[in-house]
Amino acid sequence: DTGVSQDPRHKITKRGQNVTFRCDPISEHNRLYWYRQTLGQGPEFLTYFQNEAQLEKSRLLSDRFSAERPKGSFSTLEIQRTEQGDSAMYLCASSLYNEQFFGPGTRLTVL
Amino acid sequence: KQEVTQIPAALSVPEGENLVLNCSFTDSAIYNLQWFRQDPGKGLTSLLLIQSSQREQTSGRLNASLDKSSGRSTLYIAASQPGDSATYLCAVIGSGGSNYKLTFGKGTLLTVNP
Repeated sequence: DTGVSQDPRHKITKRGQNVTFRCDPISEHNRLYWYRQTLGQGPEFLTYFQNEAQLEKSRLLSDRFSAERPKGSFSTLEIQRTEQGDSAMYLCASSLYNEQFFGPGTRLTVL
Repeated sequence: KQEVTQIPAALSVPEGENLVLNCSFTDSAIYNLQWFRQDPGKGLTSLLLIQSSQREQTSGRLNASLDKSSGRSTLYIAASQPGDSATYLCAVIGSGGSNYKLTFGKGTLLTVNP
């Protein structure tokens, strides 16, 4: 049973560029979540999918952020016109019922 | 708004010691509580999940308890080892309409010295 995978693991970009992250959940998990974690803080909820439907977006997710989960499988998180404040660890999690399982995260650095 | 607090922020113990990490939450109407471990620069590893109807869960040297009425949970680690060194995060899911998103504390950084 493979766990949640995320790609890339690290991304360095210049301010103003667009970036896209991918998350592959544990197979058969119908729920998928994105969180963001900054240094010294706990992760903060960004968005939630049940199958292909995006059911909630946090107010933390400005209009520069968009997430998709086509066909209810993998998910992508895109950030347009990145800002230095977007630098963080982006974590993906999936679940079948209550227990959420996290991937290794994508660390984004915006220069 | 649910707030989760973890005390202490950091803890250093000698190998072999038993220890307790504390977690408190402001809204007792939770669906479940989950404890995680995070190694530096890594993702989160789920340790234990306690449903709101449960009082405790055990896995190996770990035991987590839940007291909903007082808004508290503890994670007990027996016979600590240097490999237990990591940040331990507590997170809750509310029982309202958004009974899927985790609200996290800031974590407790544990160092177990050989």
